[in-house]
Amino acid sequence: DTAVSQTPKYLVTQMGNDKSIKCEQNLGHDTMYWYKQDSKKFLKIMFSYNNKELIINETVPNRFSPKSPDKAHLNLHINSLELGDSAVYFCASSQVGPAQQFFGPGTRLTVL
Amino acid sequence: SQKIEQNSEALNIQEGKTATLTCNYTNYSPAYLQWYRQDPGRGPVFLLLIRENEKEKRKERLKVTFDTTLKQSLFHITASQPADSATYLCALESDGGTSYGKLTFGQGTILTVHP
Repeated sequence: DTAVSQTPKYLVTQMGNDKSIKCEQNLGHDTMYWYKQDSKKFLKIMFSYNNKELIINETVPNRFSPKSPDKAHLNLHINSLELGDSAVYFCASSQVGPAQQFFGPGTRLTVL
Repeated sequence: SQKIEQNSEALNIQEGKTATLTCNYTNYSPAYLQWYRQDPGRGPVFLLLIRENEKEKRKERLKVTFDTTLKQSLFHITASQPADSATYLCALESDGGTSYGKLTFGQGTILTVHP
């Protein structure tokens, strides 16, 4: 059974388009995250939700909007895609408190 | 703001030797620190968590130390194997102890174990 799953795995699109990435976890965790890993492999947190409530919102352009319909799902919608948005986006989940994070397989976004 | 540095971008060692990876941080006192492994094309996988009041943690061939005075963590893999080849990421808790799980990651060290 996949613990944290993301769709799609690859996303190739044109500048200016709007796209969404979906994430689901079946671990029963209350907290979910979105990370961005750029071409230099730096992994940086973007957002975190705890029990459907936005907890962490790093300095991310307003074009990025997370949405958590329930505790098991955290989606990421990106408007007006730019070249600099090309990266691998990882979803993760964890229990509350000092706890290991479980990462999804990643979505490689390429903006042309 | 906190800064985290893993001292080697790449580390090459022979099979059977001990690999030692270093993680240094400044401008912060994290309540805990984690180490993750990342293979190409995959998401990071958790290895170990160590709290500020713990000096050392072990798990099979892995050992991590946490020196809050030096602001440094060392990650050791003993009796290394080619299968240990991967990128290793250090991550600091950076949410001020609010337990929201905010982590700041280092840039990673690419470990290659040669047969």
